Amino acid sequence: QTVVTQEPSLTVSPGGTVTLTCASSTGAVTSGYYPNWFQQKPGQAPRALIYSTSNKHSWTPARFSGSLLGGKAALTLSGVQPEDEAEYYCLLYYGGAQPHVVFGGGTKLTVL
Amino acid sequence: QVQLQESGPGLVKPSQTLSLTCTVSGGSISSGGYYWSWIRQHPGKGLEWIGYIYYSGSTYYNPSLKSRVTISVDTSKNQFSLKLSSVTAADTAVYYCARSGYGQHNMDVWGQGTTVTVSS
Repeated sequence: QTVVTQEPSLTVSPGGTVTLTCASSTGAVTSGYYPNWFQQKPGQAPRALIYSTSNKHSWTPARFSGSLLGGKAALTLSGVQPEDEAEYYCLLYYGGAQPHVVFGGGTKLTVL
Repeated sequence: QVQLQESGPGLVKPSQTLSLTCTVSGGSISSGGYYWSWIRQHPGKGLEWIGYIYYSGSTYYNPSLKSRVTISVDTSKNQFSLKLSSVTAADTAVYYCARSGYGQHNMDVWGQGTTVTVSS
């Protein structure tokens, strides 16, 4: 069973910068895993932020960026706003004979 | 713009089959180019991918749920559906449908979610 691991929680000050990471139990994450990032606030459906490692949707604020960092997928928030407090999930795509998708466990980001 | 809406019973008895439908508006499933997914979220927990279907009918499932899951598509109604058999209380969750781009696997559009409780 493939496991995708994220930091359970992180805290950042308003205006600060924070990086969330997403690791795969199968080894280094590459662009071939097409990392996606989502933001979810309480009582709401997840909202897509980043796809294919670093591509932003038209609605994604400029302060969000995606990358690969040390064998992991990463989501960086620069100039954090209070409204960025939320749960963040990554998604990795595993190809091959039985393609499947795995979500990370989520990172609870607190803005304090 | 494309919108997704889940529908189905909010209460299912243990051992029965959970059935949900996702209606797509603002776009056509049969035009291709997208996978159509089901995802669930247990109370207070993270997201779990259940599986997806392409308009042609090709399906891909979470290996841990594969024996109980069937996803189908009805292009004439612009809908896709989820059936999960032999449910238990552990299947109580919010169920979401979503769209992913073929090739880039960008899961960009989500339904609002529907809560399903398994209880007698």
